[in-house]
Amino acid sequence: DAGVTQSPTHLIKTRGQQVTLRCSPISGHKSVSWYQQVLGQGPQFIFQYYEKEERGRGNFPDRFSARQFPNYSSELNVNALLLGDSALYLCASSLADSLYEQYFGPGTRLTVT
Amino acid sequence: GIQVEQSPPDLILQEGANSTLRCNFSDSVNNLQWFHQNPWGQLINLFYIPSGTKQNGRLSATTVATERYSLLYISSSQTTDSGVYFCAVNRDDKIIFGKGTRLHILP
Repeated sequence: DAGVTQSPTHLIKTRGQQVTLRCSPISGHKSVSWYQQVLGQGPQFIFQYYEKEERGRGNFPDRFSARQFPNYSSELNVNALLLGDSALYLCASSLADSLYEQYFGPGTRLTVT
Repeated sequence: GIQVEQSPPDLILQEGANSTLRCNFSDSVNNLQWFHQNPWGQLINLFYIPSGTKQNGRLSATTVATERYSLLYISSSQTTDSGVYFCAVNRDDKIIFGKGTRLHILP
């Protein structure tokens, strides 16, 4: 079975623009979570979705939003990009409604100039 | 919020050596996980260990929840063990990662 997939792999945007990142979970997994990893730091939890509902949210501004589709894939949207949004964005999926035993995708590296 | 501290921040070892990585957390947690991030950025779940000891090949982990720490042991290190090891704790529908231990295994 395919693992968690994310697109695009790399992305360069300008300050003030908007970006959409995409994630497809492992087949059968109903929970998707998003993380931001700034260089040299551990991942920071942004959102968790289960069965298309938001189940958890980290300390991120309202510029960050997400949704989960009926096929359990997910999108992360970031509006009004700042230089500080430059990071590796990781998506993870799990079977149950939890943040346990997650499987991570390869990430999308976002650079804001 | 909960603080997660990992030590040491960096570790350089010769191939074949053993190592112990530590994770301290500041409050009670629902769960604790260890991850390995390889040099290409891929994050792999190593252990899901709220308490007790688990072993998987050359790796083992012990969590003492009452004393708020966990240890990851790597025996007979190989160059493929290089990367960053993260500890992450779960609490109140959130997950908090430490800053990681960067491990370099020299051939």
